[in-house]
Amino acid sequence: QKEVEQDPGPLSVPEGAIVSLNCTYSNSAFQYFMWYRQYSRKGPELLMYTYSSGNKEDGRFTAQVDKSSKYISLFIRDSQPSDSATYLCAMRSMDSSYKLIFGSGTRLLVRP
Amino acid sequence: GAVVSQHPSWVICKSGTSVKIECRSLDFQATTMFWYRQFPKQSLMLMATSNEGSKATYEQGVEKDKFLINHASLTLSTLTVTSAHPEDSSFYICSATVYTEAFFGQGTRLTVV
Repeated sequence: QKEVEQDPGPLSVPEGAIVSLNCTYSNSAFQYFMWYRQYSRKGPELLMYTYSSGNKEDGRFTAQVDKSSKYISLFIRDSQPSDSATYLCAMRSMDSSYKLIFGSGTRLLVRP
Repeated sequence: GAVVSQHPSWVICKSGTSVKIECRSLDFQATTMFWYRQFPKQSLMLMATSNEGSKATYEQGVEKDKFLINHASLTLSTLTVTSAHPEDSSFYICSATVYTEAFFGQGTRLTVV
């Protein structure tokens, strides 16, 4: 079993839809959670970073963490064609290695 | 956010030659940088942790003599793919951590012919 599970998609939605992306994890030591957006042939771009259970909002993006269920989500409101990309969840523990464990990534397509 | 610059963005080399990829933190000092490899439609695979002033720590299965990592300063880490072969063709990405957030370079697409 992978430490982090993420549905690879692809997920296709119409423009303006609310998108829900999810990851589950098995390691209770994970304390820091991140969402990255990666366009084709580009490096990942940090979208959201959280370290506690609950919600964090930034513009059209909301990150949600439920440590009791080992489940994290990223919601995108009013999705745009420019949001079409691969979304990667990542997480790490509090040790000093700073190593990130990534999900496999979900490919999102927002149709005009 | 912090800026990590990676160079070159793409490179084509002949089989048997070596290729060097640079990763720079532009507006902060990074004592630790990471090198990843990514195959098409797959997630990032951590290759090694690059530590300033000391030897890199390689993940299991990564050949340290094949992928030479040097972290000579607090703003520069380099990955050299030695005696490259077509199977080394891939997308290589570096990252650096600022406090607890990780920022990535633009990636380098290596094609070995």
